[in-house]
Amino acid sequence: EAGVTQFPSHSVIEKGQTVTLRCDPISGHDNLYWYRRVMGKEIKFLLHFVKESKQDESGMPNNRFLAERTGGTYSTLKVQPAELEDSGVYFCASSQSGGHQPQHFGDGTRLSIL
Amino acid sequence: EDQVTQSPEALRLQEGESSSLNCSYTVSGLRGLFWYRQDPGKGPEFLFTLYSAGEEKEKERLKATLTKKESFLHITAPKPEDSATYLCAVQAANSWGKLQFGAGTQVVVTP
Repeated sequence: EAGVTQFPSHSVIEKGQTVTLRCDPISGHDNLYWYRRVMGKEIKFLLHFVKESKQDESGMPNNRFLAERTGGTYSTLKVQPAELEDSGVYFCASSQSGGHQPQHFGDGTRLSIL
Repeated sequence: EDQVTQSPEALRLQEGESSSLNCSYTVSGLRGLFWYRQDPGKGPEFLFTLYSAGEEKEKERLKATLTKKESFLHITAPKPEDSATYLCAVQAANSWGKLQFGAGTQVVVTP
């Protein structure tokens, strides 16, 4: 079974540019989550999709971040325009439906804003 | 506010030297407590889920326990391949599934 796949693994862009991160969850997982870790901090929740619907977006930092999950399969996270404080590692996780299902993580996208 | 605190921040062990990691939490109703292992440059790898006080889970040299206020991850006779950062995360009963992570404990096991 393929795990959670994230692309790209690294991205370096200049302040003010746009970047789009992609996440392919484990096949059949309805729940998809985005998290990020900024330097020296713990991993923080951004948002949660159930299929194509946003269930919880309480962790999104501001309106420069836009997440989509068209068709309930892969998801994208767009940052526009990128700011210096957006640098960090962005993780995607997925889980099956039903309570207490563990979340399985991808290896993350390391985003550097110059 | 929900909070997760892990200690120690770092732990250096000799191969075979058993030890415990601590995860203290405050949450408004616990749905689950999760332990993950993370290697450099990789995403968190799921280890255990604990749901209620008194519960224990084991996997190879790792054993996780849970009380109403904290969880312990016991590493018995560790090997160098157990070197990693161990993360604790809680899921609140009133959440839709989001995990709140601690800062992690970095474990180094030397031969």
